[in-house]
Amino acid sequence: LAKTTQPISMDSYEGQEVNITCSHNNIATNDYITWYQQFPSQGPRFIIQGYKTKVTNEVASLFIPADRKSSTLSLPRVSLSDTAVYYCLAIGFQKLVFGTGTRLLVSP
Amino acid sequence: EAGVAQSPRYKIIEKRQSVAFWCNPISGHATLYWYQQILGQGPKLLIQFQNNGVVDDSQLPKDRFSAERLKGVDSTLKIQPAKLEDSAVYLCASSFEAGALGEQYFGPGTRLTVT
Repeated sequence: LAKTTQPISMDSYEGQEVNITCSHNNIATNDYITWYQQFPSQGPRFIIQGYKTKVTNEVASLFIPADRKSSTLSLPRVSLSDTAVYYCLAIGFQKLVFGTGTRLLVSP
Repeated sequence: EAGVAQSPRYKIIEKRQSVAFWCNPISGHATLYWYQQILGQGPKLLIQFQNNGVVDDSQLPKDRFSAERLKGVDSTLKIQPAKLEDSAVYLCASSFEAGALGEQYFGPGTRLTVT
């Protein structure tokens, strides 16, 4: 199972763009990069998933360079409600293995 | 559509007692998961069901934990006897697809405190 490394915490202000980088040097050919978001007292929620280049949905964008050894989750114009823990996972057909995630704090 | 339902939301028990958690997945989701999340950590998979069969229970402490999914819908997770280190949030999730690539939908969890 590919191990991912991401910052423990990040701070931002409302309206700013937030980029969370995840390192996955040993990612396997079949692995996809997947991000989950978790609010306090709730279960994680799927945000976005990609294999390479760029993926965009109504919530976020995911950038994966050609070597796939890292990826960046981009949250445009964050609001206070984006304060949460964000988990980066590299998964194929194996089970999800969550790390400790990145705690994002958005301030007014 | 209705989400994953779990009950109870909170439970406090003494060590060596037993406890059971219930989960009702999203209708039509064949795959069901139980996770344990200790404070400050990410969720850890305990057991995965595909319909009513066990796919992965490699991280389930089988001397005290048990789970079943009768009729391939609802599931229960039981701990007997509980230890202090079992204090955690127990999350149930379900997915339409069998593999880990499928989006998993998580319930609100049951917060267990063992005293």
